[in-house]
Amino acid sequence: DGGITQSPKYLFRKEGQNVTLSCEQNLNHDAMYWYRQDPGQGLRLIYYSQIVNDFQKGDIAEGYSVSREKKESFPLTVTSAQKNPTAFYLCASSIFGSGYEQYFGPGTRLTVT
Amino acid sequence: AQTVTQSQPEMSVQEAETVTLSCTYDTSESDYYLFWYKQPPSRQMILVIRQEAYKQQNATENRFSVNFQKAAKSFSLKISDSQLGDAAMYFCAYTGANSKLTFGKGITLSVRP
Repeated sequence: DGGITQSPKYLFRKEGQNVTLSCEQNLNHDAMYWYRQDPGQGLRLIYYSQIVNDFQKGDIAEGYSVSREKKESFPLTVTSAQKNPTAFYLCASSIFGSGYEQYFGPGTRLTVT
Repeated sequence: AQTVTQSQPEMSVQEAETVTLSCTYDTSESDYYLFWYKQPPSRQMILVIRQEAYKQQNATENRFSVNFQKAAKSFSLKISDSQLGDAAMYFCAYTGANSKLTFGKGITLSVRP
């Protein structure tokens, strides 16, 4: 079955540590996205990539980094510079171009204490 | 920059009744797409319906339909014959030429048996 996987579902880290969230898709989509969801805030775009080896900052990129070495994978690193990292993180993918549906993974809940 | 506004944080509907969720947006683009996504308690985001701005006909998917008023920049979702499984958070979203999705803050819909 085609889809998007994110692992792990729950992640706990101590403040000051970097942590990497995994996102893999087998839908053969060129575009991939990372969103952050906080209560009452909707989804906010962190980074997106429309092609391998290229990515752009979204609306809230500070304190985050990404890589896109393979079409199928788009890992997100939450660095110690992110001031409020505790949140629900969603990865999505789509066909490249305007108007196409984005398919979402199940999400990762990150808690930093 | 484009904005999407969902002014009602919560709504409730009786099972089998009809409910309408409101959404307004602001853009200077003439060609764009609008979406409604559903996020049930599992937190898996699911596309409900999609509308292309250049199409005057309102989109329909089974019990879900939209009222798209381009001049008023309004995009409401109507759910007919509400079912218990419709209880979820619903997000209105916009995408234009840059292919990025801009989400509203969402509305929590509860369904009373």
